[in-house]
Amino acid sequence: TQLLEQSPQFLSIQEGENLTVYCNSSSVFSSLQWYRQEPGEGPVLLVTVVTGGEVKKLKRLTFQFGDARKDSSLHITAAQPGDTGLYLCAGARYNFNKFYFGSGTKLNVKP
Amino acid sequence: SQTIHQWPATLVQPVGSPLSLECTVEGTSNPNLYWYRQAAGRGLQLLFYSVGIGQISSEVPQNLSASRPQDRQFILSSKKLLLSDSGFYLCAWSVAGGPDTQYFGPGTRLTVL
Repeated sequence: TQLLEQSPQFLSIQEGENLTVYCNSSSVFSSLQWYRQEPGEGPVLLVTVVTGGEVKKLKRLTFQFGDARKDSSLHITAAQPGDTGLYLCAGARYNFNKFYFGSGTKLNVKP
Repeated sequence: SQTIHQWPATLVQPVGSPLSLECTVEGTSNPNLYWYRQAAGRGLQLLFYSVGIGQISSEVPQNLSASRPQDRQFILSSKKLLLSDSGFYLCAWSVAGGPDTQYFGPGTRLTVL
């Protein structure tokens, strides 16, 4: 059983549509990160959220950290083919030196 | 600025052969270091992490081992590779004292035949 449950696993949408990816847990995290990964490359950090209720925006991407610090969401507005990739969430817990990853969301944006 | 290197980028090895993958970090001191394995298009499985020279924590018992001979060097090894060791191996680092964020290397694609 994974500590972070990520959904959906797969998402195929048309260019211009909106989408939301969720990352949920029953555990509290000190921070949560979102990464985007292209095939054959390492994950690239998009954002780190550290405060409960925090909302961060990165162009068309909006990230939210739940008030209780147990969940997070990534919302993409007007998706573009360049958004295609694997999106990963990861959480860090207090007093632990490791990160817990969700299973990933594979996004395909069709032109 | 900090950079992380992994080599080789790709590797094809026969079953039963040894393995050594190297990861080095530049521009930071005493980082936490991590080795992950990733199945195609899926999430990351933590294999090992290290908070200092010679300090290795193993997450999943398997055919692999890790070592940290220097502050910014992390090595993943195996004495005899199995078919199931094939995968995409990623090294990452985070700031010591609190794993707020991880930064990943470019990865090594390992194929065991």
